[in-house]
Amino acid sequence: SYELTQPPSLSVSPGQTARITCSGDALPKQSAYWYQQKPGQAPVLVIYNDSERPSGIPERFSGSSSGTTVTLTISGVQAEDEADYYCQSADSSGTYVVFGGGTKLTVL
Amino acid sequence: QVQLVESGGGVVQPGRSLRLSCAASGFIFSNYVMHWVRQAPGKGLEWVAVISYDGSNKNYADSVKGRFTISRDNSKNTLYMQMNSLRAEDTAVYYCARDLTSNACFDIWGQGTLVTVSS
Repeated sequence: SYELTQPPSLSVSPGQTARITCSGDALPKQSAYWYQQKPGQAPVLVIYNDSERPSGIPERFSGSSSGTTVTLTISGVQAEDEADYYCQSADSSGTYVVFGGGTKLTVL
Repeated sequence: QVQLVESGGGVVQPGRSLRLSCAASGFIFSNYVMHWVRQAPGKGLEWVAVISYDGSNKNYADSVKGRFTISRDNSKNTLYMQMNSLRAEDTAVYYCARDLTSNACFDIWGQGTLVTVSS
């Protein structure tokens, strides 16, 4: 079955830049999405179509794509950005939706 | 405001059934593809099922295929998930989610409803 691979954890200091990667063979063909999830809350869409930012999402959140890897970048990390982040896409046929395993971002 | 509210979760014995509901408001429900996504305690997100605008097309994750049935009633602005032959591994918070682009882009999520399968 198709998989998306993320690092389990990442730690950054406030004001630094966090880059969370997500790898998958079908990413050159399928759009990628990123979600932020804080404890006890539902996920929130922060990036869609690889690099588009929904209204209401701060400009410090950006997305990019290169080959089989997509990256969520958070510039000038703030304490409130501490959360789990999930990438999501589909397999090459577009039949099945897949989430990455999630990355726990810790703001030191 | 745009909102999804799930209900129907609870504790159920293995092998039994449960039906979840997701009430939509604040948008034209029939204009959107809808999904169910679940999250086991302490684990990541897992996509479960999708249904087209009019309910004519459905697809499921292999883990639930043949046991779960997704449906919708556009006249009631409500999404459903009928879950049969439940297993311990189905224990999770179940979220309904709106698909912004009809390409599995989940822009609106409910608050989730907890299903616990235990004897």
